[in-house]
Amino acid sequence: DAGVIQSPRHEVTEMGQEVTLRCKPISGHNSLFWYRQTMMRGLELLIYFNNNVPIDDSGMPEDRFSAKMPNASFSTLKIQPSEPRDSAVYFCASSGKGRESSYEQYFGPGTRLTVT
Amino acid sequence: GQQVMQIPQYQHVQEGEDFTTYCNSSTTLSNIQWYKQRPGGHPVFLIQLVKSGEVKKQKRLTFQFGEAKKNSSLHITATQTTDVGTYFCAASGSARQLTFGSGTQLTVLP
Repeated sequence: DAGVIQSPRHEVTEMGQEVTLRCKPISGHNSLFWYRQTMMRGLELLIYFNNNVPIDDSGMPEDRFSAKMPNASFSTLKIQPSEPRDSAVYFCASSGKGRESSYEQYFGPGTRLTVT
Repeated sequence: GQQVMQIPQYQHVQEGEDFTTYCNSSTTLSNIQWYKQRPGGHPVFLIQLVKSGEVKKQKRLTFQFGEAKKNSSLHITATQTTDVGTYFCAASGSARQLTFGSGTQLTVLP
């Protein structure tokens, strides 16, 4: 099993540019989560999907952020326009019915975004 | 949503010493999960606790869920340098979402 795949692993961009982060969840998992991690704010849930449908996007900071899941094997998180305060590590995670029905989440390696 | 407070924020221990991190909630939790994140890595699931007073062990790691299901702890016996990382507790809400605690960053000095 390849695990959750994220790309790119690192992104450096200038303020005002559009940034697109990509995620491929583990095959068979029907829940997908996008998180942002910073030293100041810790690990924050931005949005999550069940069966490709966005369930809760209350964690999305503002309208500059958008996420899509066009099918069960792909999701994107887009920031347009990007700002320096968006610099963080962005994780994608997926979950399905695990052992003991635990629904544990499996995280991808993350995308380290730097906006200058 | 669920909120969990985790303490301490940082812990430095000498290799071989024990380590404990605590997770507290003002509300009753349906279950709690623990994750470990190595420096530069991503969170990795360790375990889930569901039952009141539950205790689970993984080698040198002992996980407890309080009787009132409002608190949990992770205890590591005789720490090793491989234990370095940040340990997070996470409370599950509706539809499988998790609310993560702020984490305890463990440093093990050789």
